[in-house]
Amino acid sequence: EAGVAQSPRYKIIEKRQSVAFWCNPISGHATLYWYQQILGQGPKLLIQFQNNGVVDDSQLPKDRFSAERLKGVDSTLKIQPAKLEDSAVYLCASSLESGAIYEQYFGPGTRLTVT
Amino acid sequence: AQSVTQPDIHITVSEGASLELRCNYSYGATPYLFWYVQSPGQGLQLLLKYFSGDTLVQGIKGFEAEFKRSQSSFNLRKPSVHWSDAAEYFCAVGSNNAGNMLTFGGGTRLMVKP
Repeated sequence: EAGVAQSPRYKIIEKRQSVAFWCNPISGHATLYWYQQILGQGPKLLIQFQNNGVVDDSQLPKDRFSAERLKGVDSTLKIQPAKLEDSAVYLCASSLESGAIYEQYFGPGTRLTVT
Repeated sequence: AQSVTQPDIHITVSEGASLELRCNYSYGATPYLFWYVQSPGQGLQLLLKYFSGDTLVQGIKGFEAEFKRSQSSFNLRKPSVHWSDAAEYFCAVGSNNAGNMLTFGGGTRLMVKP
């Protein structure tokens, strides 16, 4: 079974530019998550989708971050405009359903550097 | 609010030695607890999880963890470390109240000496 796919793997941009990340979850997984992992820290949940609806986006900086999962499958996360403190690895994960008993499977991440 | 503390940022052990990584959590109800491993440039891989029942849980790659409610701990152990175990390890607590939200600790980086 194919895992969670993310692209690009690496991105370098200047501050105030915009950037988008793409995630394709494991086939059949209804729940999709975006995490931000700053160097030296654990992942922090940004947003959680159940099919194409948002379950939790309480930690998403909505003035600059947006995410969508229009058809309930793949998802994009956008930052506009980027700040230096957005430099991090952005991890996408998916699970069969929403609920802690369902294992989350993580993609390899996109490493963003903002200069 | 739930939280996780991993007191050790870095740990170095010799190959073949035993390993224990500490994890303390804060959560109002019975927690769902997880250990993940992250190798350089890779996503997180689930090592083991605790939901209920036997407080000693076995995972992949020879790892085990013990849930101790009285100490709010979920420490990860391995009797004999291999060089390939060098990685970053994350403890996480899950809540079924908020739709599978995981809160991660800051991680422990494990280095293995030959």
